[in-house]
Amino acid sequence: NAGVTQTPKFQVLKTGQSMTLQCAQDMNHEYMSWYRQDPGMGLRLIHYSVGAGITDQGEVPNGYNVSRSTTEDFPLRLLSAAPSQTSVYFCASSWDWAGNSPLHFGNGTRLTVT
Amino acid sequence: DQQVKQNSPSLSVQEGRISILNCDYTNSMFDYFLWYKKYPAEGPTFLISISSIKDKNEDGRFTVFLNKSAKHLSLHIVPSQPGDSAVYFCAASSPGNEKLTFGTGTRLTIIP
Repeated sequence: NAGVTQTPKFQVLKTGQSMTLQCAQDMNHEYMSWYRQDPGMGLRLIHYSVGAGITDQGEVPNGYNVSRSTTEDFPLRLLSAAPSQTSVYFCASSWDWAGNSPLHFGNGTRLTVT
Repeated sequence: DQQVKQNSPSLSVQEGRISILNCDYTNSMFDYFLWYKKYPAEGPTFLISISSIKDKNEDGRFTVFLNKSAKHLSLHIVPSQPGDSAVYFCAASSPGNEKLTFGTGTRLTIIP
């Protein structure tokens, strides 16, 4: 039982490049979400999904895109990377919506945009 | 607008003593509160939660207290151990809201 798996662990991008951060969970959780962690800002919600085919925006969605074609996978796409997107990204899942059951987090992807 | 605030960025406590981490919130609709613990290079892990219908929840060495009138919650760790050194985030949600709002975190260091 791997839990929540994020790849890659580290990534360096040049401004304007695009990439996809992968997230997969094997707990059959319906709820999945993406957060970014920045110094002094805590964890901020980017996008979330309450089930396959359903996604919605969080607090800081601009510059990011998501889709949820299966229960297991919830990739985060950076459309055109900017230095302001330098951050640590965490994917999380839970059996119910985030306010009702604890989130299980992956170990993060550290992204640097130069 | 920071709806969940952790005003102490860091805290140092002697091993064996009590650690008290504080969290304030501004949204009166919040009714469920959680604490997460995070070690370096790992994702946060759930520690303890409390519903607004309670004012205290205990789990081993960890106790969370909720003061609704003051919009304040605190996490008590007794006794503190070196393995408790981590960043602690409080988080809150409101009814029917799929989103969780996190505080900025407090780095706890336990001094042996």
